[in-house]
Amino acid sequence: QVTLRESGPALVKPTQTLTLTCSFSGFSLSTSGMGVTWIRQPPGKALEWLARIDWDDDKYYSTSLRTRLTISKDTSKNQVVLTLTNTDPVDTATYFCARIWLAGSLEIDHWGQGTLVTVSS
Amino acid sequence: DIQMTQSPSSLSASVGDRVTITCRASQTIGISVNWYQQRPGKAPKLLIYAASSLQSRVPSRFSGSGSGTDFTLTISSLQLEDFATYHCQQSYTTPYTFGQGTKLEIK
Repeated sequence: QVTLRESGPALVKPTQTLTLTCSFSGFSLSTSGMGVTWIRQPPGKALEWLARIDWDDDKYYSTSLRTRLTISKDTSKNQVVLTLTNTDPVDTATYFCARIWLAGSLEIDHWGQGTLVTVSS
Repeated sequence: DIQMTQSPSSLSASVGDRVTITCRASQTIGISVNWYQQRPGKAPKLLIYAASSLQSRVPSRFSGSGSGTDFTLTISSLQLEDFATYHCQQSYTTPYTFGQGTKLEIK
């Protein structure tokens, strides 16, 4: 059974760096064809794709956020970490991590429950 | 970036109705579209991948079609549990992009 769970601070002050951890089970990021991706959703708004990391450590980022985002993995711990620097209140959102099946049609087939992050002083 | 224009943004319908949601890509993307259902306070759930393939354990009343730039999600006979928000997403190339979402409400 595939599960993912996001963890991190619920509240961050503007200009601080946000660090989120995705802990997963039921698959391995050392397996060919596996990837983990991050998506966020501001309250009442649309989904926004952020980043993806693949089993072979290839990384991809949102065009508008690429200078502020870093994604990394710890295969031994089954974790993926996303950092967002220089946060602003507009970064307030629910952040989801999810598995992406690279060997299929690149569908995002399993999602974590999401974690709400508020950026406020 | 590829833009995904989804319509309508909201839709009122009744149980038993047939509804269609559309998504248009800003460039041709083959069949690289996925559809997700999101209930309030929950994570999105994959319904359809590769434009028309039904995800495992998703009811057959859901179907998808399209290729190139125009895609549709159809629910053949609405059930109570289908009232939710639906999102399209292109997986043709990174950065992946989502539509603005369609909120399906009970009439």
